[in-house]
Order: sequence, then structure tokens, then C-alpha cells
Amino acid sequence: GDSVTQMEGPVTLSEEAFLTINCTYTATGYPSLFWYVQYPGEGLQLLLKATKADDKGSNKGFEATYRKETTSFHLEKGSVQVSDSAVYFCALSDLNTDKLIFGTGTRLQVFP
Amino acid sequence: DSGVTQTPKHLITATGQRVTLRCSPRSGDLSVYWYQQSLDQGLQFLIQYYNGEERAKGNILERFSAQQFPDLHSELNLSSLELGDSALYFCASSTVTSGNTIYFGEGSWLTVV
Repeated sequence: GDSVTQMEGPVTLSEEAFLTINCTYTATGYPSLFWYVQYPGEGLQLLLKATKADDKGSNKGFEATYRKETTSFHLEKGSVQVSDSAVYFCALSDLNTDKLIFGTGTRLQVFP
Repeated sequence: DSGVTQTPKHLITATGQRVTLRCSPRSGDLSVYWYQQSLDQGLQFLIQYYNGEERAKGNILERFSAQQFPDLHSELNLSSLELGDSALYFCASSTVTSGNTIYFGEGSWLTVV
């Protein structure tokens, strides 16, 4: 079945460092891809999405490009802030039902 | 604010008891999803309803059931609760007009003691 694999965390960075969180997926067809973020004590918020190959989703300085050839959707940010500390989830949508299949999440800790 | 409302936010109950979690989807959203987030299992899809009908079923235990009402709000019923059912339960909703993007509520924290 469809699945999402994320890099293990936690990822620990200093403020203003470059961030990459790797995400690869296995799916039949071409699902939409998403990054959700969960700040401490809060629910899941949609960060960005891409619906077809070569699409780039972006929001709040974060970017991810839908790469069909490598089945990847890596999350990047050029300069992280302490306020970016959160758990980041990569997900794909099931083509038949639209339900989301999530990766295990990657905790990001940014220190001043 | 995603527009998805869940109640209660926190709930503590004893083993063997039954609880009901409620969800109001975003205005106009026809699909409702329930997810369970626990430390050892991550985010698990439980069940999806679309306009009152069950559309997809995931890793939902037989002790759990859900329904979506004509006004599109949904309830997740958890019975014969066990310690291992302690988790954060999310409701989410979507509709074609949002590009089927799924928006999540803030979750209901369930602690079984």
C-alpha cells in the first residue's frame, strides 16, 4: 500500500541555519503531497502542498518540490528561526478517498 | 483557526468507560476524517465519512465507532476503554472546493486511567 518515509529526528539546528527534512513516498499513481506542522501543544496545521509533478509548494519561507523521478518531497527552509521548532509531518493523499497517509514526523529543534 | 471544532479538548476517564468525541467540520465540508495520534503509533487514520456515509476505514478498533449526522457534524465513540487508548484524537474535514485539502481541528486529548 501507499506509504511515506521521513527522516528520523530530532533535527537540531542553530537559528539561521539551513533546514532540509527528507521525505520519500510510495504510491500507485500520482497523489497530492503535503507538509503539516504541529507546534507544541497544538493541532496539525497545513504548511504547504503540491498536487502534481514538479509543483513547488511554499509558505512561511518553507519550500518543497514534488519530484516524481525520485518520489520525494523534501522540505527546505533557508534560515530557520526558534519559532520554527515543531514536529513536521509529510503526507500523501489517497487517490480514491483523499484520506492522508502520514510519515512518522520529524521533530525540529532550533536554538538561538 | 482551521474552522474545524472539536470537543472536549481534554478528557480523563477510567478504564472500561465509554466516551464520545464531537467534531464540527468547516462550513460546507462534506468529508470528515478521524485520526489517532499516540506516541508509539504516530498518526493513524481511523475512519472517513462523506456526506453521512462511511467512505474509508483504517485502523479502527471494533470498540470504536463513528457516525456523521445530517448536519455534517461527526462523533467518535470509544467504548470499553483501555490504558492504551490514551491519545490525541483529531478530526479533520475537506471538500472538493478546497481542492480536497484536509484541515485539522486542535484535537481531543483522551487520558484513560
